[in-house]
Amino acid sequence: SQQGEEDPQALSIQEGENATMNCSYKTSINNLQWYRQNSGRGLVHLILIRSNEREKHSGRLRVTLDTSKKSSSLLITASRAADTASYFCATDAPPYSNSGGSNYKLTFGKGTLLTVNP
Amino acid sequence: NAGVMQNPRHLVRRRGQEARLRCSPMKGHSHVYWYRQLPEEGLKFMVYLQKENIIDESGMPKERFSAEFPKEGPSILRIQQVVRGDSAAYFCASSLRQGADEKLFFGSGTQLSVL
Repeated sequence: SQQGEEDPQALSIQEGENATMNCSYKTSINNLQWYRQNSGRGLVHLILIRSNEREKHSGRLRVTLDTSKKSSSLLITASRAADTASYFCATDAPPYSNSGGSNYKLTFGKGTLLTVNP
Repeated sequence: NAGVMQNPRHLVRRRGQEARLRCSPMKGHSHVYWYRQLPEEGLKFMVYLQKENIIDESGMPKERFSAEFPKEGPSILRIQQVVRGDSAAYFCASSLRQGADEKLFFGSGTQLSVL
């Protein structure tokens, strides 16, 4: 499997339900980011979690990071039809710059396609 | 403040032609990155540029691909003698600075189709 691999590949839920997506990676990281991509559009940055953080919240989003298992999860609570999109996790790759990390050479997974039915 | 602008949105080329993809970073951003997304795949890093400099091109194919970010004007990703395997979505991103927690802002991409 590749660095930054999401599962499930596709998830279909009803509006109001929670959606959980997982991401696994192989090498050590400086941080992990989650992005959303609506069909035919660019990526929108959702949240960044550093390797020394375990959990982070942003609105209806909750991200966890377990560096011992090299995995992360993205939870979207009280989902809405507008949350329908593909969700990608991205990790930065070593070697790191002297500034403590190099975030531009991100490795993305294939994504989870989330469909929220009204 | 306009976001990252890419054009064209869709580009159709026949095998052997040249493709030129343009990217204007967000205002004030001097760091530009190109990524490629093949069908059913995640984005893959291609190249990182600052004004007039290529910083990291480790993700660029060795032949036919080139990128520039001139002092004036947009960044250009150029693909010569395109082949069907070049069909993909090409995304440009920009950032204000370079650092561990610096956020990348992505454009809407150029969908290249090679006939």
